[in-house]
Amino acid sequence: EPEVTQTPSHQVTQMGQEVILRCVPISNHLYFYWYRQILGQKVEFLVSFYNNEISEKSEIFDDQFSVERPDGSNFTLKIRSTKLEDSAMYFCASSRRGRSNQPQHFGDGTRLSIL
Amino acid sequence: SQQGEEDPQALSIQEGENATMNCSYKTSINNLQWYRQNSGRGLVHLILIRSNEREKHSGRLRVTLDTSKKSSSLLITASRAADTASYFCATDANAGGTSYGKLTFGQGTILTVHP
Repeated sequence: EPEVTQTPSHQVTQMGQEVILRCVPISNHLYFYWYRQILGQKVEFLVSFYNNEISEKSEIFDDQFSVERPDGSNFTLKIRSTKLEDSAMYFCASSRRGRSNQPQHFGDGTRLSIL
Repeated sequence: SQQGEEDPQALSIQEGENATMNCSYKTSINNLQWYRQNSGRGLVHLILIRSNEREKHSGRLRVTLDTSKKSSSLLITASRAADTASYFCATDANAGGTSYGKLTFGQGTILTVHP
C-alpha cells in the first residue's frame, strides 16, 4: 500500500539555525498537510497546501515557517530560525481530495530536537 | 476545554475484553474521524463518521456519533495485544461548508491490552 515517507526521522539542530523537513506524499494525492506534536501534547495542525499554494494555516504557522513543493513529488517544511519551542514531532499527511470527508495518510514523522 | 477531548486518558484491559473510548467536541462538524498511533509511528486512519450518521462499523470497530451531545465513542471488541496504541478523535471545522481538510485532534486515549 502506498505510504507517505518523511526524512530525516530525527533532526538535531542548534537554536537559530534553519531546518528543512522533507516529505514524499502518496503519488495521486493532491492535498498536503503538516502537523506537529509536542511531547505529551495534542497533534496540532500547521498548514494545508493545494495547487502550489497554502489553503489554510494555523496561528502556529508564523513567518518563520514556509512550505514548498519544489519538484512535483517532495513537500517540504522549512523553519527559518529555530527556537527551543519548535522541538516536536512533525508529521506530513496527504489526501486525495481536500474535503474533510477524506482520510488523511500520515508519515511516521520527523523528530526535531532544538538544542 | 478544547475541540476533541477524549476520555479516559488511559485504559488498561485484558485481551479479549472490549475497549470503549469517548470523545467530546465543541463546535459543529462535518465529520469525525478516529486515528490510531502506535508508539513512534504516524497516525493511521481507522474510521470516519459523517455528521448525519449515528453509528458505523468496520471490522471490530464500532463508532457512534451523537451530534446533540457533541460526542462520539469508539468501541473495539475482542481486543488484542496488537491493539495497544494511542487513539485520537479528529474533527473538521464546519465553517459554512468550506473545509480544506484541517483536522483538530484530541489529547488521545492510551490503550494497553495485556496478553
